[in-house]
Amino acid sequence: DGGITQSPKYLFRKEGQNVTLSCEQNLNHDAMYWYRQDPGQGLRLIYYSQIVNDFQKGDIAEGYSVSREKKESFPLTVTSAQKNPTAFYLCASSPPGTYALTQYFGPGTRLTVL
Amino acid sequence: EDQVTQSPEALRLQEGESSSLNCSYTVSGLRGLFWYRQDPGKGPEFLFTLYSAGEEKEKERLKATLTKKESFLHITAPKPEDSATYLCAVQYNFNKFYFGSGTKLNVKP
Repeated sequence: DGGITQSPKYLFRKEGQNVTLSCEQNLNHDAMYWYRQDPGQGLRLIYYSQIVNDFQKGDIAEGYSVSREKKESFPLTVTSAQKNPTAFYLCASSPPGTYALTQYFGPGTRLTVL
Repeated sequence: EDQVTQSPEALRLQEGESSSLNCSYTVSGLRGLFWYRQDPGKGPEFLFTLYSAGEEKEKERLKATLTKKESFLHITAPKPEDSATYLCAVQYNFNKFYFGSGTKLNVKP
């Protein structure tokens, strides 16, 4: 049963802490993405990766970091430099393609700063 | 400047009352326009990809259409289980995506 998994579902962070959100896919997709969703706003791209060991900053990368050591995994670290991290975080992946890339999303992680 | 605008922000329908949701975009060089359904606290669920003006796609009570500047998601005879937020996204470069803020649909029995 192929899909995208994210963990944990809920995450609480104290001021000054770094936290890591997990994203795993078994769809054999090359591209993976991280988005942030805030109430009343569209999804905003944080980072994306087209292939293993390569990733690019999106529109709001400041305060975040990623790695792509395996095709299946694309973890996101929210660092203490991110001043307003409370949000719903969504991971997505896309199958190979040369034109339009349909993205498939995981269930999300809700991060709350205490 | 918003690249993707969805309207209305919220829509309340009676069961069986057909309507349309709008997604207008300002980007040029569109590669694809995508519709998603999102339930509260969950990730978006893919519905349709549209590639060029004039294209239409259907799935059960949903039909998506595309023109050069906007897309419509038509909902025919909706049921309460169609209640959700519907998101529109456009891709205009290999890895450039813009999402609208969504239309929250509530279908009353």
